[in-house]
Amino acid sequence: NAGVTQTPKFQVLKTGQSMTLQCAQDMNHEYMSWYRQDPGMGLRLIHYSVGAGITDQGEVPNGYNVSRSTTEDFPLRLLSAAPSQTSVYFCASSYSGRGITGNTIYFGEGSWLTVV
Amino acid sequence: AQSVAQPEDQVNVAEGNPLTVKCTYSVSGNPYLFWYVQYPNRGLQFLLKYITGDNLVKGSYGFEAEFNKSQTSFHLKKPSALVSDSALYFCAVRAHITSNTGKLIFGQGTTLQVKP
Repeated sequence: NAGVTQTPKFQVLKTGQSMTLQCAQDMNHEYMSWYRQDPGMGLRLIHYSVGAGITDQGEVPNGYNVSRSTTEDFPLRLLSAAPSQTSVYFCASSYSGRGITGNTIYFGEGSWLTVV
Repeated sequence: AQSVAQPEDQVNVAEGNPLTVKCTYSVSGNPYLFWYVQYPNRGLQFLLKYITGDNLVKGSYGFEAEFNKSQTSFHLKKPSALVSDSALYFCAVRAHITSNTGKLIFGQGTTLQVKP
């Protein structure tokens, strides 16, 4: 099972450049989200989606765009990279059913981004 | 506002001793509570969750957690620690009334160090 797959794993950007972090899940989950992890701050929600065509902002959305054209994919776009966006980014997915896996959020392996 | 507190930045235990990683939460209504573990340069792995039912929840790798509504706590425990348990542990909460299951509030994380 692939689960939640993120690419790239590592990326270095120059200030002002744009890029897209890719996220795909093969579990047919309706909910997907992006978090960033910074030291001592846990994970903070950037954007989320409750299904194809529906997205909304989380706690720290500035400087990021998302779209959800299919159930499987949820890319995160950095419009004009800034050093403050140096972080580890995690994509996650879940569904709202019952059972062991229902309402459990599954995370990808992370994307380490450095903006210089 | 929802929040999660992990009062200890680091917990040190000797191998074979019991361990406890503390978590308290603040949420309106009934909470969904989660524990995740993160090994260096890896994503978050799901350990266990409390949705409803028995207050003592058993999870992966011998971990368990006890939901205490009166103390608004969800401490992670293990009877006998292993060196391989050394990692970063996150507690997270979602309000039951929140329909989007992708939105979790995380604590800042607790580093568990198990010494041989």
